[in-house]
Amino acid sequence: QKEVEQNSGPLSVPEGAIASLNCTYSDRGSQSFFWYRQYSGKSPELIMSIYSNGDKEDGRFTAQLNKASQYVSLLIRDSQPSDSATYLCAVAGGATNKLIFGTGTLLAVQP
Amino acid sequence: GAVVSQHPSRVICKSGTSVKIECRSLDFQATTMFWYRQFPKQSLMLMATSNEGSKATYEQGVEKDKFLINHASLTLSTLTVTSAHPEDSSFYICSASTSGGSLTDTQYFGPGTRLTVL
Repeated sequence: QKEVEQNSGPLSVPEGAIASLNCTYSDRGSQSFFWYRQYSGKSPELIMSIYSNGDKEDGRFTAQLNKASQYVSLLIRDSQPSDSATYLCAVAGGATNKLIFGTGTLLAVQP
Repeated sequence: GAVVSQHPSRVICKSGTSVKIECRSLDFQATTMFWYRQFPKQSLMLMATSNEGSKATYEQGVEKDKFLINHASLTLSTLTVTSAHPEDSSFYICSASTSGGSLTDTQYFGPGTRLTVL
């Protein structure tokens, strides 16, 4: 089992819709959770961090964490074509004490 | 704030040569910097953790004699790929944390260096 799992996609949504990106992790001791956006050929850019159960909202982005289910998600409201990118889930803490990345989900927002 | 730069952004070299990549934190002091490698359509893989003034900690499977890391100051870490071979061609990305590298610290990434070894 991979430590951080994401559906590789592509996830295709129409402009203006809500995009829902999901991530599961295997280490129950994980403490910190991050969502990064990576455009093709570029390095990751931090979108959100979340540390406790529940929702955290920042503009059009909402991160959701459920530690009992070992599940973290990112919702993007009013999706724009410029949101088209690969979204990386990253998890820190637990046994390995390092930041572990998922393979990313490719999001395509159709105009 | 929290800007990280890398130089060069792209390098092409012949097999057997060495390449140095610089990572700088421009507006903060980074006690800890991280070096990642990303192959096409794969995720970021941590190569090593670099702490200012001490030896780097390498991940399993990463050759420390091939990937030399120096963290001479709180704003600069360098990665030298020695005797590069085509299989070392990859996207190398550094990151820096804004304080001591604790697990709640956010890592800010540099723009990456695309290495192509002919």
